[in-house]
Amino acid sequence: GQNIDQPTEMTATEGAIVQINCTYQTSGFNGLFWYQQHAGEAPTFLSYNVLDGLEEKGRFSSFLSRSKGYSYLLLKELQMKDSASYLCDVMDSNYQLIWGAGTKLIIKP
Amino acid sequence: IAGITQAPTSQILAAGRRMTLRCTQDMRHNAMYWYRQDLGLGLRLIHYSNTAGTTGKGEVPDGYSVSRANTDDFPLTLASAVPSQTSVYFCASSDSGVDTQYFGPGTRLTVL
Repeated sequence: GQNIDQPTEMTATEGAIVQINCTYQTSGFNGLFWYQQHAGEAPTFLSYNVLDGLEEKGRFSSFLSRSKGYSYLLLKELQMKDSASYLCDVMDSNYQLIWGAGTKLIIKP
Repeated sequence: IAGITQAPTSQILAAGRRMTLRCTQDMRHNAMYWYRQDLGLGLRLIHYSNTAGTTGKGEVPDGYSVSRANTDDFPLTLASAVPSQTSVYFCASSDSGVDTQYFGPGTRLTVL
């Protein structure tokens, strides 16, 4: 079967750095997405990786290793507004999206 | 304001009733999707449409139907609601089937 694994919950301190990991087993690969979802709101797009390596976008970076079926989202200079769930999803060979259950990130002052 | 809208925002429904959740986008996106999101589970795809006039089944299609008569609208119908369909429903769209998805604000549905 296909699945995406992410930690259920993580806690970090305001101003610090946190890394949220995602591992996947899918039928083929056509890209990996990260979305942010604040409580009670819709998911919003953060990043997309299709080639190995690091994509940097301001305070957020996303890394991909296709050979290891692994990605991480790195958040720097954490702010209280970064408290949210972070969803990892992979597009398989049929261009279907397989979603992880999300990682709830709690930021403490 | 360009985007994707859903209606209603929330609804309480008696089991056995028929219900249609509405979704409209004005971005002229070709692909549209319906997901349900339950606590502790990832987003699960119910139905999708790659272009107007076509639809396809996702991971959890049973008990739901969709139509795509035009580019902008993608309604989701529950023919006879059951309590297990209590969930938050998100509609999404993307320019093509391989692009970033843009989500509507969601509909919180409770079936009693």
